[in-house]
Amino acid sequence: KNQVEQSPQSLIILEGKNCTLQCNYTVSPFSNLRWYKQDTGRGPVSLTIMTFSENTKSNGRYTATLDADTKQSSLHITASQLSDSASYICVVRFGNQFYFGTGTSLTVIP
Amino acid sequence: EADIYQTPRYLVIGTGKKITLECSQTMGHDKMYWYQQDPGMELHLIHYSYGVNSTEKGDLSSESTVSRIRTEHFPLTLESARPSHTSQYLCASTDGDVGNTIYFGEGSWLTVV
Repeated sequence: KNQVEQSPQSLIILEGKNCTLQCNYTVSPFSNLRWYKQDTGRGPVSLTIMTFSENTKSNGRYTATLDADTKQSSLHITASQLSDSASYICVVRFGNQFYFGTGTSLTVIP
Repeated sequence: EADIYQTPRYLVIGTGKKITLECSQTMGHDKMYWYQQDPGMELHLIHYSYGVNSTEKGDLSSESTVSRIRTEHFPLTLESARPSHTSQYLCASTDGDVGNTIYFGEGSWLTVV
């Protein structure tokens, strides 16, 4: 069983709308949790990073939250843009091991 | 911006050919990784290295091999390519600090016909 599960698997939203992506993990304890954005055919790019003691981290229109008690993280995208269309990957690090989620494919339509 | 580079970006080769995917980083990172990712699927670790002359197999069985003769260079080689090797290969690196980001290359798309 994958130790990092993401939902939804795919999502389509209208430009300008907000959305929230979910990440549930079983890796415990962990060093940090990251959200990556991966454009089609490109390598993933880091959006946010949080340690287990942090609850929220923002990067422009992206805000990540972390609940270490329930082992859940979410990525909230505000005022979506067409360029937000990509896969979003949750990655949990424990020491030198990286555990990747299956990703959420987001499509923003005009 | 990440200083990690992969070549080639796209390659189509015939079955049975030998291919080496190059990966170089200029950040002085000790730890480097190769991931395989099919379209729309998750990343799978196939090889990793924690420093020069250190290489290990990852979680996903792979017929490829790697070498780490220099810190900045981590090439991946397929001795005899097969259609089942068609995939995207992503190289990544990070330093030893657990607070630091893992940086990815742009990826190499390999098609074996």
